[in-house]
Amino acid sequence: QKEVEQNSGPLSVPEGAIASLNCTYSDRGSQSFFWYRQYSGKSPELIMFIYSNGDKEDGRFTAQLNKASQYVSLLIRDSQPSDSATYLCAVRRLRGRRALTFGSGTRLQVQP
Amino acid sequence: GAVVSQHPSWVICKSGTSVKIECRSLDFQATTMFWYRQFPKQSLMLMATSNEGSKATYEQGVEKDKFLINHASLTLSTLTVTSAHPEDSSFYICSARGPGTSGGGEQYFGPGTRLTVT
Repeated sequence: QKEVEQNSGPLSVPEGAIASLNCTYSDRGSQSFFWYRQYSGKSPELIMFIYSNGDKEDGRFTAQLNKASQYVSLLIRDSQPSDSATYLCAVRRLRGRRALTFGSGTRLQVQP
Repeated sequence: GAVVSQHPSWVICKSGTSVKIECRSLDFQATTMFWYRQFPKQSLMLMATSNEGSKATYEQGVEKDKFLINHASLTLSTLTVTSAHPEDSSFYICSARGPGTSGGGEQYFGPGTRLTVT
């Protein structure tokens, strides 16, 4: 079982719709959870992070965390074609390895 | 804030030569930097964790004698790919833990270096 799992997609949504990206993780010792966006040929850029159960909103983005279910998601409201990219979920442990562990990413396509 | 730069952005080298990649935190001090490698259509794979003033910690399966990491200052870490071979061709990305007190441990990535070994 992979430490961080994501559906590879592509997830296709029409412009203006809500895109929902999901991620599950296996290590209950995970402390912090991150969403990165990566355009083709570019390095990842941080969208947001969350470490408490519940929702965290930042502009059009909402991260949701459910530690009991070991599940984290990212909602993108009013999706734009410029949101088309690969979204990487990453987790960080409370103890031990401090580096982030990344999922394989979900490719999002927003159709104009 | 939290800007990380890398140099060079791309490099082509011949098999058997060595290549050095620099990673700098421009507006903050980074006691820890990370080096990742990404092959096409795959996710980022951590190669090593670089700590200022001490030896790097390599992930299982990463040859420390082939991928030399030096973290000489709080703003600079270097990765040297020694005796490069075509299979080392990849996108190498460094990251640094950002400043601030969020406690989240977020990492900020450099723009990456695309290495092609011919």
